[in-house]
Amino acid sequence: GEDVEQSLFLSVREGDSSVINCTYTDSSSTYLYWYKQEPGAGLQLLTYIFSNMDMKQDQRLTVLLNKKDKHLSLRIADTQTGDSAIYFCAERAGSARQLTFGSGTQLTVLP
Amino acid sequence: DAGVIQSPRHEVTEMGQEVTLRCKPISGHNSLFWYRQTMMRGLELLIYFNNNVPIDDSGMPEDRFSAKMPNASFSTLKIQPSEPRDSAVYFCASSPHTGNEQFFGPGTRLTVL
Repeated sequence: GEDVEQSLFLSVREGDSSVINCTYTDSSSTYLYWYKQEPGAGLQLLTYIFSNMDMKQDQRLTVLLNKKDKHLSLRIADTQTGDSAIYFCAERAGSARQLTFGSGTQLTVLP
Repeated sequence: DAGVIQSPRHEVTEMGQEVTLRCKPISGHNSLFWYRQTMMRGLELLIYFNNNVPIDDSGMPEDRFSAKMPNASFSTLKIQPSEPRDSAVYFCASSPHTGNEQFFGPGTRLTVL
């Protein structure tokens, strides 16, 4: 079955870059996603990448995908206090519509 | 544009009571998903519908849980009878037919005493 893993915590200083990592096991993954969840809120879709791409950039966000190693990362440039949240990695396998989520990484941005 | 709408936002009930959670997907989306989020198990898919038809309900914990989608703009998740271990945040999400994004509602925080 699918398994998506993330480290639980990350702390960075305001203005630095954050890199959140994710590994997955399903080689049939077609799309990989990053969601952000602020306290008491739902999941906000940040970005997603198709499995035949190795990089996607969207303003301060850069997604890198190493399909061989089944490794996905999210880089946030110039991290701000408003970026403090839980970040979830998710994968969609083959023709399936549902997503499998990692446990989430709590990002804390220190002033 | 309105996103996915869920109600109620918070529900506190006593063990044994029936609970009904409601979801209105984004207009035009044809896939609808129910997820549950707990500290112990993270985010789990319970069931999803495509064109109002349940496709995969393998995540539904047990017979106490049921979900319906009577039309394209409404779905319910019912727990009867509820138990304290059902306490969680329940999210509804929807996805368009030709798109790859999945958009989440704000969730319903359920507490069963």
